[in-house]
Amino acid sequence: DGGITQSPKYLFRKEGQNVTLSCEQNLNHDAMYWYRQDPGQGLRLIYYSQIVNDFQKGDIAEGYSVSREKKESFPLTVTSAQKNPTAFYLCASKVTPANNEQFFGPGTRLTVL
Amino acid sequence: AQRVTQPEKLLSVFKGAPVELKCNYSYSGSPELFWYVQYSRQRLQLLLRHISRESIKGFTADLNKGETSFHLKKPFAQEEDSAMYYCALSDTGSARQLTFGSGTQLTVLP
Repeated sequence: DGGITQSPKYLFRKEGQNVTLSCEQNLNHDAMYWYRQDPGQGLRLIYYSQIVNDFQKGDIAEGYSVSREKKESFPLTVTSAQKNPTAFYLCASKVTPANNEQFFGPGTRLTVL
Repeated sequence: AQRVTQPEKLLSVFKGAPVELKCNYSYSGSPELFWYVQYSRQRLQLLLRHISRESIKGFTADLNKGETSFHLKKPFAQEEDSAMYYCALSDTGSARQLTFGSGTQLTVLP
């Protein structure tokens, strides 16, 4: 394993607090993605970034924010505006946006208490 | 809008039996389809893609444009095939975003 790391593996937060999930990759990939995985719903795209200093909203961006200041890092902030934040979050990357194979991190399970 | 449907949330078969995981899609253009797999305590990973027309771990999948399907098949299931399987469709835009199905949990019984 290696390549894409996510930390922490488990995260707990109190309702009303913002929390930032880390995603780092040493694969020199241009494109990075954040997904939310819920039982019975598969993976849903939150945000993606095709290049440094640029990112776009995915299908469920409300209540989330991202930044892409460095090629290897794409942190996701879950804000207090996200109504149902408890979920498993997956980060992924691929060589270029046009390439089709995405490589996934191990995930972070966020629980809001 | 593109959509991927996996009608079975759970599927159980006995070891040595054939297995077929269903995937149907809707997309206005020419689709690129994939199967991803997530074994217990492992990362989600690419299993196969339709353009490669390859067999991976004994699994094959044929794109049927007439039926808009991309079912995953294996003639003789093994216990190590037990995992969550996701069908995914890529659009043909510059971002090549993936749309995932809801997944099928396959259990191969001894």
